[in-house]
Amino acid sequence: EAQVTQNPRYLITVTGKKLTVTCSQNMNHEYMSWYRQDPGLGLRQIYYSMNVEVTDKGDVPEGYKVSRKEKRNFPLILESPSPNQTSLYFCASSGLAASKQYFGPGTRLTVT
Amino acid sequence: GQQVMQIPQYQHVQEGEDFTTYCNSSTTLSNIQWYKQRPGGHPVFLIQLVKSGEVKKQKRLTFQFGEAKKNSSLHITATQTTDVGTYFCANPITGGGNKLTFGTGTQLKVEL
Repeated sequence: EAQVTQNPRYLITVTGKKLTVTCSQNMNHEYMSWYRQDPGLGLRQIYYSMNVEVTDKGDVPEGYKVSRKEKRNFPLILESPSPNQTSLYFCASSGLAASKQYFGPGTRLTVT
Repeated sequence: GQQVMQIPQYQHVQEGEDFTTYCNSSTTLSNIQWYKQRPGGHPVFLIQLVKSGEVKKQKRLTFQFGEAKKNSSLHITATQTTDVGTYFCANPITGGGNKLTFGTGTQLKVEL
């Protein structure tokens, strides 16, 4: 089954404790993205990748890092999480640039 | 930057009533995508419109792309409880690689 998986699905952590949210897709897609979703603000793109070792900033990249060492994986790294990064995070992939997005199930992150 | 405004933010309807959500841009869009997110779920791609004046239908859903490619609408005829969710439009950023901007979404509630 074609899918995007994310782990963990829920995470509660404390300010400053580094964390990584994993994302994997099995569709051989070149393009992957991370979004955060906050009430009233919709979905905002954090980072995107157009291929292995090719990443670029989205609209809200501050406080986040990504890497794309393999085509299927696109982890999101928060080196020093802060409470304003409490949000619902979605990973997505697509076969063409900025085209139909296949979203993962989401990761709800709470930073206290 | 390129932004898409989406209205209304919320809509309550009685089952059987029609529903419309609009996306408006100040700049010409190369294409526009529509997504649906059920409560507690992840966004799911519905459709992509590319041509000026394009109209596409999916059962009770009608999608339109404006003649000037600056606005789009999603119309649902005779809503059902299964239509509940948040509807987002999204557009690629011109020259932006894999950059995609989402509207703020319209949350639809359907009452029996």
